[in-house]
Amino acid sequence: KAGVTQTPRYLIKTRGQQVTLSCSPISGHRSVSWYQQTPGQGLQFLFEYFSETQRNKGNFPGRFSGRQFSNSRSEMNVSTLELGDSALYLCASTRGDGPEAFFGQGTRLTVV
Amino acid sequence: AQTVTQSQPEMSVQEAETVTLSCTYDTSESDYYLFWYKQPPSRQMILVIRQEAYKQQNATENRFSVNFQKAAKSFSLKISDSQLGDAAMYFCAYRSGEYGNKLVFGAGTILRVKS
Repeated sequence: KAGVTQTPRYLIKTRGQQVTLSCSPISGHRSVSWYQQTPGQGLQFLFEYFSETQRNKGNFPGRFSGRQFSNSRSEMNVSTLELGDSALYLCASTRGDGPEAFFGQGTRLTVV
Repeated sequence: AQTVTQSQPEMSVQEAETVTLSCTYDTSESDYYLFWYKQPPSRQMILVIRQEAYKQQNATENRFSVNFQKAAKSFSLKISDSQLGDAAMYFCAYRSGEYGNKLVFGAGTILRVKS
């Protein structure tokens, strides 16, 4: 059974640009959650999508958005990038109402 | 809001010995789950063990076991017979038993294993 796949693995973007990250969950899993990991703030929850609907949202500005497709794949978008958006972005896949979440290898975003 | 606290930024253990990582949490809920995740240098988060709050029995997975003290809101991880491959960052995480799969993480503990 394939695990959670995140693409791309690494990204370098310039301040002011926008970026889209992708997450393909484990087959049969309908919930996808996104987390931001930084040395200063640790792991912070961004949002969760379940059956194409956002059902939980963390405390991040509106520049961070996401969506989920009918095949459960999810994308996360960050607009008007700031230096502080440099982080490891992790995606977690959960079967339905969990409870176990399985993580992808992450996308390392560097904003210069 | 729920919070998770890991008070040990870093721990060391000799290979083959036992180490315990501490975690406390704060919640007003009665239904929830607790997890320990391991994050090696590859950065992939790996689920180590989970505990349901309604279960009194402590969870065990091979060399990994937990000491779940619900009244004290404490959830420690014991690693027995430590191996070099156990070296990683360990995160304690909380998930509400209600709607959604949001995880609240502690700050993490770096575990170093000495040969």
